[in-house]
Amino acid sequence: DTQMTQSPSSLSASVGDRVTITCQASHDITFSLNWYQQKPGKAPKLLVYDATNLEAGVPSRFSGSGYGTDFIFTISSLQPEDIATYYCQQYANLPNTFGQGTKLEMK
Amino acid sequence: EVQLVESGGGFVQPGGSLRLSCAASGFTLSNYDMHWVRQTPGKGLEHVSGIDTNGGASYYVNSVKGRFTVSRDTSKNTVDLQMASLRPEDTAVYYCARGRYCSGTRCYLIPYAYWGQGALVTVSS
Repeated sequence: DTQMTQSPSSLSASVGDRVTITCQASHDITFSLNWYQQKPGKAPKLLVYDATNLEAGVPSRFSGSGYGTDFIFTISSLQPEDIATYYCQQYANLPNTFGQGTKLEMK
Repeated sequence: EVQLVESGGGFVQPGGSLRLSCAASGFTLSNYDMHWVRQTPGKGLEHVSGIDTNGGASYYVNSVKGRFTVSRDTSKNTVDLQMASLRPEDTAVYYCARGRYCSGTRCYLIPYAYWGQGALVTVSS
């Protein structure tokens, strides 16, 4: 299985801060990396697909970068509604494994 | 509008069985792989099972192999997950999600843009 190592596991930030989350794959997955946002009691919501592509309707303050094994997810200016848990997911190989998640809290 | 609606969750004793169903609407189910992802309380996401467009190939995480069976019914527009020999560690919210798109002989890897609302399965004595 392709292991996904996501960090940090939790993060506290203020409104307007730049937030960065990293995800490392145990094998080369080229660009097959997605980022999801999950709020309590809700299903995950796709934000970024194929490492760098913003899903339709997602605010432009969200972005992704990376290729191969190392990936970064960025929120350029944190908003109160961004408080959630974020997951990376590789879908190059089965199982389509997820990172452990990053719980984002407001400082 | 694409919709996925799970049903069939509930409370079951260890060793028992449960069948989850995912009803799809707003798209042609036979053109998409479908997946089941679970989330244990307070924990992360785990890809449990998947089935390809014609039901000819399926995937299971090691911990459920031999106990879970995924199937699809094109006439009913549903994807089911039959769970047997359930264990307390199977307790989770189970989501169905839409995956890869195939048309004819061509397939396109697409992310899980659509998910159901989740079905809670509780295994306890």
